[in-house]
Amino acid sequence: DTGVSQDPRHKITKRGQNVTFRCDPISEHNRLYWYRQTLGQGPEFLTYFQNEAQLEKSRLLSDRFSAERPKGSFSTLEIQRTEQGDSAMYLCASSLVGIDTQYFGPGTRLTVL
Amino acid sequence: GEDVEQSLFLSVREGDSSVINCTYTDSSSTYLYWYKQEPGAGLQLLTYIFSNMDMKQDQRLTVLLNKKDKHLSLRIADTQTGDSAIYFCAGSYIPTFGRGTSLIVHP
Repeated sequence: DTGVSQDPRHKITKRGQNVTFRCDPISEHNRLYWYRQTLGQGPEFLTYFQNEAQLEKSRLLSDRFSAERPKGSFSTLEIQRTEQGDSAMYLCASSLVGIDTQYFGPGTRLTVL
Repeated sequence: GEDVEQSLFLSVREGDSSVINCTYTDSSSTYLYWYKQEPGAGLQLLTYIFSNMDMKQDQRLTVLLNKKDKHLSLRIADTQTGDSAIYFCAGSYIPTFGRGTSLIVHP
């Protein structure tokens, strides 16, 4: 399967714990995006990378959230000191510069108890 | 980003055509997209249209773009129960998604 993959698919954690999600984009894609989607809403943009550079961050991305893409391939999204309001689906997408068609992964469902 | 508005729900009978509408505010997108999301899944790219086109047909899907009115529509011919999902329209670069349209197909 050469699509976008995300791991884990589901994560249950207790409030205050740290969690980390991984996204592997389509191999030749140089842009990678993170979104958050809560129930009944559309995806909300969090941040995106072009190669290893983080080019834009939403105001939604509080200082408890950090994303990396160290080698310009896979990316990780870490949430520190999770809160119940962090419960959501975290979606990753990738695209090629200049084409901008985003292909989404299956998402990671986070539940904070 | 752009603001996007869609009707929240659409209910159709199996075999009928479905038309999902979208209005947007930012006209700078090079492409406009339709995505489909099934429960618990990510967004699946359905089709897209280049911003200088008026219409695109792709098998059962027809996309119409009215740039003057900033209106995009998706027509699904011969709608099937497997088409039941939430549909999102989006622009390019960093799109703003609305709440999507939940399509319910009755047998």
